[in-house]
Amino acid sequence: GAVVSQHPSRVICKSGTSVKIECRSLDFQATTMFWYRQFPKQSLMLMATSNEGSKATYEQGVEKDKFLINHASLTLSTLTVTSAHPEDSSFYICSARGGGGGYGYTFGSGTRLTVV
Amino acid sequence: GNSVTQMEGPVTLSEEAFLTINCTYTATGYPSLFWYVQYPGEGLQLLLKATKADDKGSNKGFEATYRKETTSFHLEKGSVQVSDSAVYFCALRETSYDKVIFGPGTSLSVIP
Repeated sequence: GAVVSQHPSRVICKSGTSVKIECRSLDFQATTMFWYRQFPKQSLMLMATSNEGSKATYEQGVEKDKFLINHASLTLSTLTVTSAHPEDSSFYICSARGGGGGYGYTFGSGTRLTVV
Repeated sequence: GNSVTQMEGPVTLSEEAFLTINCTYTATGYPSLFWYVQYPGEGLQLLLKATKADDKGSNKGFEATYRKETTSFHLEKGSVQVSDSAVYFCALRETSYDKVIFGPGTSLSVIP
């Protein structure tokens, strides 16, 4: 079945540094990818929709200059958290539409970001 | 706007008990409905889905029926196992937009 690989699974970084999270569709082409953020014991909040070859569409309240999204190919989207602060610590999950089309959304395994 | 509401957890059941997790939604048009499961420390996995009214999604003993008249998509399983312990998310995909909206999630713990 469709597989989305998300890397790294865990990362700890210092305040002020930037962190890049990768999301790859391994066996299908994903024209659209989604980035979610999940706070402890809460639901997933959509941050942005990433379309291959174009600018990402950010949800209201999400700082586009802080959360940089690049979707340069049909199999790779990246989320870069710039100048990270402790409040950015969270679980980030990507999702790709494709690998069967229609209603198929395949999720990555998530990245636990801790900013110290 | 569109939204998904789930019963609050956590839910604790004994092994082999019957499970129901209620889910209701608000949406314009005819959304597709999903249940996702998240095991500790992992991402989400699609558990089942239904794309139109009266459809029944089923997988691994779990079932949910798309009820348009009550705008509900309740998740049921006749006999839960310890391995079913996880967080369950009800979700909808809007018909007009390429977006999935999640409910708040319900944590399930199954004890031996």
